[in-house]
Amino acid sequence: AQSVTQPDIHITVSEGASLELRCNYSYGATPYLFWYVQSPGQGLQLLLKYFSGDTLVQGIKGFEAEFKRSQSSFNLRKPSVHWSDAAEYFCAVSRKEYGNKLVFGAGTILRVKS
Amino acid sequence: DTGVSQDPRHKITKRGQNVTFRCDPISEHNRLYWYRQTLGQGPEFLTYFQNEAQLEKSRLLSDRFSAERPKGSFSTLEIQRTEQGDSAMYLCASSESGSLETQYFGPGTRLLVL
Repeated sequence: AQSVTQPDIHITVSEGASLELRCNYSYGATPYLFWYVQSPGQGLQLLLKYFSGDTLVQGIKGFEAEFKRSQSSFNLRKPSVHWSDAAEYFCAVSRKEYGNKLVFGAGTILRVKS
Repeated sequence: DTGVSQDPRHKITKRGQNVTFRCDPISEHNRLYWYRQTLGQGPEFLTYFQNEAQLEKSRLLSDRFSAERPKGSFSTLEIQRTEQGDSAMYLCASSESGSLETQYFGPGTRLLVL
C-alpha cells in the first residue's frame, strides 16, 4: 500500500533560521510528489511539486524541495524562516496508475519563535 | 479565476441529522475530489469525479455518504444520519485531468456533530 511518512510531528525554529521538513514515501513506482501548507482552519495551498527531471524544485514563498530516489525522500527546505511560515505542512504523493488521488502524510506543525 | 469554493464553511448538527456540503471547482477543471481530514491527521481520499462520472470511492465512504456532480460543474456531498465520528474537515479539490495533474484545494467545510 502507498504511504507517506513525516517523522516530525512538531518542529520549532527561530525566525531567520533554516528549515528542513522530512518526507519519506513508500510506493510501487516513483510517484508524483507535492508539498502543501495549511494555516489553522484553512484549506491547503500548494507550495511545490515534482513530476520528473531536475530533482531540486523551487516553489512559492522561498521554499524548495529535493527528490532523492535512493532514499525515497522529498524533503522541504527554506534558508530563512519568517514568522508567517508558522503553519502545518503536508507531503503528498500521487500516481496516474492509482487514479491521481493524493496520499498524504500526517503533517508537520511548524512553530516559529522570535 | 476565483479558486475552489466550498459552502458552508462551518456546520454544527445533531447526531442523526442529514447534512449536505457544496463544492464549486475552478471553472475549467474537469476533475473534482473530496477528502476528509480529522484532527491531527492528513487528508484522506473519499471519492472523485471526472466530469459528471464518479470514478472511484474509498472504502471510507460508507453507505451513509453520497456524492454527486450532476452537470459536471459543482458537486455535493451528503451525509445521512450523521454520527459523532463524522466530525471532521471536508475538503474539496479540483484539477485538469492529465498525466501531470495538480489538485487545488478549497477552504474546507468543518463539520461538528453533537
